[in-house]
Amino acid sequence: NAGVTQTPKFRILKIGQSMTLQCAQDMNHNYMYWYRQDPGMGLKLIYYSVGAGITDKGEVPNGYNVSRSTTEDFPLRLELAAPSQTSVYFCASTQGDGNSPLHFGNGTRLTVT
Amino acid sequence: AQSVTQPDIHITVSEGASLELRCNYSYGATPYLFWYVQSPGQGLQLLLKYFSGDTLVQGIKGFEAEFKRSQSSFNLRKPSVHWSDAAEYFCAVKQGGKLIFGQGTELSVKP
Repeated sequence: NAGVTQTPKFRILKIGQSMTLQCAQDMNHNYMYWYRQDPGMGLKLIYYSVGAGITDKGEVPNGYNVSRSTTEDFPLRLELAAPSQTSVYFCASTQGDGNSPLHFGNGTRLTVT
Repeated sequence: AQSVTQPDIHITVSEGASLELRCNYSYGATPYLFWYVQSPGQGLQLLLKYFSGDTLVQGIKGFEAEFKRSQSSFNLRKPSVHWSDAAEYFCAVKQGGKLIFGQGTELSVKP
């Protein structure tokens, strides 16, 4: 199993550009999450999904969109990149039964200039 | 609104001393509770979790945490800190599908 795979690892965007951060898991997990991590701020939940076709907003959803058309994939879309979206983004997944641990991807470091 | 608070941004302890990291949450009912650790440049590793039952839970690396419903707290403890424990520690709560992290406590260990 590859676990949770995030691509790309690094990206530099200009203000106003758009991009999609990819996240895929091969563990048949129901629950998937997108977080951003900024120094001193911990991890902030952007969006989450409890299953294919179901998504919900987290703590900081503005400026982002997600979709969950399959169990495996949970892409995060930035439509109009802003400097405030410079961050490290983590995707995570879990089975959701409470006992299952949270598996994290390796992160995507995004810089918007 | 649901929230997780770690009041201490940075803590420094001497090697061999005891440690307590605080975590308070605000939720309507007892959520699932977790502590994670993140070393520099690394991902998050689960230390321990609480779902129900015994309010004192044991984790990896000699850590334990106690759930106190009356105080809405889930503090992390270790009797004797090792230099390798220097890292950032995150408390997290899960209710329904939503999993929220605190802002983290950075632990430094003095020789």
